Amino acid sequence: ELKVEQNPLFLSMQEGKNYTIYCNYSTTSDRLYWYRQDPGKSLESLFVLLSNGAVKQEGRLMASLDTKARLSTLHITAAVHDLSATYFCAGGSNAGNMLTFGGGTRLMVKP
Amino acid sequence: NAGVTQTPKFRILKIGQSMTLQCTQDMNHNYMYWYRQDPGMGLKLIYYSVGAGITDKGEVPNGYNVSRSTTEDFPLRLELAAPSQTSVYFCASHRREGRYEQYFGPGTRLTVT
Repeated sequence: ELKVEQNPLFLSMQEGKNYTIYCNYSTTSDRLYWYRQDPGKSLESLFVLLSNGAVKQEGRLMASLDTKARLSTLHITAAVHDLSATYFCAGGSNAGNMLTFGGGTRLMVKP
Repeated sequence: NAGVTQTPKFRILKIGQSMTLQCTQDMNHNYMYWYRQDPGMGLKLIYYSVGAGITDKGEVPNGYNVSRSTTEDFPLRLELAAPSQTSVYFCASHRREGRYEQYFGPGTRLTVT
């Protein structure tokens, strides 16, 4: 059974700083997802990582996947207030592409 | 395309009542899913379907039922509602081929009192 853990659970940072969110998973996962959720809203897809060494970047966010370490990271560069949200990673299974979610990282970027 | 739509947006149920949460997608996706999200937590899979007529249990199926008679619709039925079912329910869909991302609906916020 796949288990996904994120850390930290809560992150308060100043604008302009860099930080990394970590996502560990317990067993082999075919793909790794990152989602963003604003308060009271649905989930917005950020990245899908499909293979070892995959790196994807969009604006100030960069995600990477190390399948040997069973670790994905979401790196934030020069944070801005608009990035304040909760970020979830999720592991996907081949059978039915069911997602197992981590507990989320609530990010607050202070001006 | 409207994407994934869910109704209702909000609902308050009394203990023991039943209701159906509706989910429709217009992207011709094969796979559909129901998740629940408790406050401050990640999502947990309730049921999923890989095509019309095929459904299977997820991590937390107790107290729920689903059906999939068409590609577009995947309703979730709550029988004998309990306070533990107070949650936000998200429906999602996904194509079998190509990109792997799941597209989520706006959610239904359910309170059982």
